Formats: sequence, C-alpha cells, structure tokens
Amino acid sequence: GQQVMQIPQYQHVQEGEDFTTYCNSSTTLSNIQWYKQRPGGHPVFLIQLVKSGEVKKQKRLTFQFGEAKKNSSLHITATQTTDVGTYFCAGRNSGTYKYIFGTGTRLKVLA
Amino acid sequence: EPEVTQTPSHQVTQMGQEVILRCVPISNHLYFYWYRQILGQKVEFLVSFYNNEISEKSEIFDDQFSVERPDGSNFTLKIRSTKLEDSAMYFCASKVAGGYSSYEQYFGPGTRLTVT
Repeated sequence: GQQVMQIPQYQHVQEGEDFTTYCNSSTTLSNIQWYKQRPGGHPVFLIQLVKSGEVKKQKRLTFQFGEAKKNSSLHITATQTTDVGTYFCAGRNSGTYKYIFGTGTRLKVLA
Repeated sequence: EPEVTQTPSHQVTQMGQEVILRCVPISNHLYFYWYRQILGQKVEFLVSFYNNEISEKSEIFDDQFSVERPDGSNFTLKIRSTKLEDSAMYFCASKVAGGYSSYEQYFGPGTRLTVT
C-alpha cells in the first residue's frame, strides 16, 4: 500500500538554527498537507500544496512540493522554542478521500 | 473560533468491552474522519464519512468498528469488542467540503483509549 516516509525521525537544534524535514511518498500525490502536533496535542493544519513545484511561505516556514508530486519539504528558518513539536506531512492520492500521514519528524529546540 | 470537540478525553475499558467515542464536528462541515495514533507513532487513517455513509475505510477499520451520525451534530466511533492493541489516541476530524478536494481538516483534541 501507499507509504509516506519522513526524515529525519528526530531533530534537536539550538534556538536560531534552521530545520528541515523531508517527506517522500511511494505514489504520486494529488495534494499534500502539513500538520504540526505539539506534545500532548492534536494535529493542527499548517498548509496545503497542490501544484507540481509549488513553494509557499508562512513567515519563517517554507513549504515545497516536488516536481513529480512525490516529495515535499518543510524548512523553518531561525527556529524558536515555540516551534517544538512533531511535524507531519499527509498526502492524498487522486480519486481517494483519505490522507496518509507521514511518519513525522519530532523537533526539539534548545534555548 | 469553531472547534471540533470529543468526549470523553480518556476512556479506560476492559478487553472485550464495547466503547463509543463521541465527536461533535464543526457545524457547517460535511466530511468527517476518524484517525488513531498509537503513542509516539504516526497518525493513521481509519474512516471517512460523508452524506451519512462511509466513503472510504482503511484495513484497520474491520468489522469491530462502526461509525454513525445519529443526529445532526454527533459523529461516533464504536468499537464492538476491544482488544489490547486498540489502545491509542483517537482523533476525530472534519472539513468543510469537497471530498476529493484540498481543504484543511480540523482535528479534535482526541480521546485516549486504554484497554486493559
């Protein structure tokens, strides 16, 4: 079945350093969404990408969707302690309702 | 801001017992989902629901699981005979429209199910 993998699994950074998580799908996606889950919390929607090669920015966060629509990345510039949490990508194939979540990247930011 | 609510926040049950997890989606949303997350692991899709019927389900969603929208507001997940491996956080999510389209899902706070 469809698999969505993320690397790295964990990342510890010093506050102010950059962070990137990569998401790879075994199938071509129709669209991809990114979620953040704080420790003990629920997933919170960050953004969705639909077009091949799309790049979107939200303040310090930059999201990319690969040309082949099989991979995506989230880059955070100058991390802050409020960025702590697990970042999940969630991909959807064409003709299906379901989103397959990636394995997640847990980010810890050291002050 | 409208939000998805779930009750109870924590449910402890004995193996073999039936449990019903409840969700109240955002009022103008039309598509509803259940996900589960075993502690420390990824979020797994269970089922999607639209127009009073299941639109898609995963391999996890076997005959022990069922969903219902008994009235205009509640959306429930029933597990008929719980197993130890059903212990997880169960999230309900809803979105406004577009079964195949790209709308964000709003997640509830979750119900932690512990099967002993």
